[in-house]
Amino acid sequence: KQEVTQIPAALSVPEGENLVLNCSFTDSAIYNLQWFRQDPGKGLTSLLLIQSSQREQTSGRLNASLDKSSGRSTLYIAASQPGDSATYLCAVYFGNEKLTFGTGTRLTIIP
Amino acid sequence: DAGITQSPRHKVTETGTPVTLRCHQTENHRYMYWYRQDPGHGLRLIHYSYGVKDTDKGEVSDGYSVSRSKTEDFLLTLESATSSQTSVYFCAISEPDRGSNQPQHFGDGTRLSIL
Repeated sequence: KQEVTQIPAALSVPEGENLVLNCSFTDSAIYNLQWFRQDPGKGLTSLLLIQSSQREQTSGRLNASLDKSSGRSTLYIAASQPGDSATYLCAVYFGNEKLTFGTGTRLTIIP
Repeated sequence: DAGITQSPRHKVTETGTPVTLRCHQTENHRYMYWYRQDPGHGLRLIHYSYGVKDTDKGEVSDGYSVSRSKTEDFLLTLESATSSQTSVYFCAISEPDRGSNQPQHFGDGTRLSIL
């Protein structure tokens, strides 16, 4: 079964620190991987999409990496700010017409 | 932001009643999706559409039906709502160039409570 796992479920970090969120998946034959942000009571906002042929993608203070052979992706957030507090979701497209989501990591940035 | 509108945003109804949720997009994207989000389960796909009148089931499709009579609208219907269908429902859209290698964009969700 194709699964996506995000550990830990929750993370608290002091403001200004760099941090890494983790995502692992069970099948290395992926087409792409997408990172989302979800604020309480809101929908999902797409942050970064990494194609299977890519190793990383960057957008501002965010950098996502992909290692298909080990079944892992990381989302690196530089110089964290209180506004980064949200739930971060990883989703993998395995080529079966749907995204498979992890359950997310709830990030709290402490001022 | 992608032009996706979900209606209603909140609904409370009783067990056994029919419920229809609407997703409207202004992006002319070919693919549309319905997900539900529940604590401990993450987002799970209910149904999706790859064109007008072209739909297929997701992993949790039992008790749900969908219709897409025009590109911009995708309807999700609970024929006879049950308490287990209390959830937050999200619509998403995408426009694949080759396969589905394009990001999905999400609406703000519909919070549905079935008493």
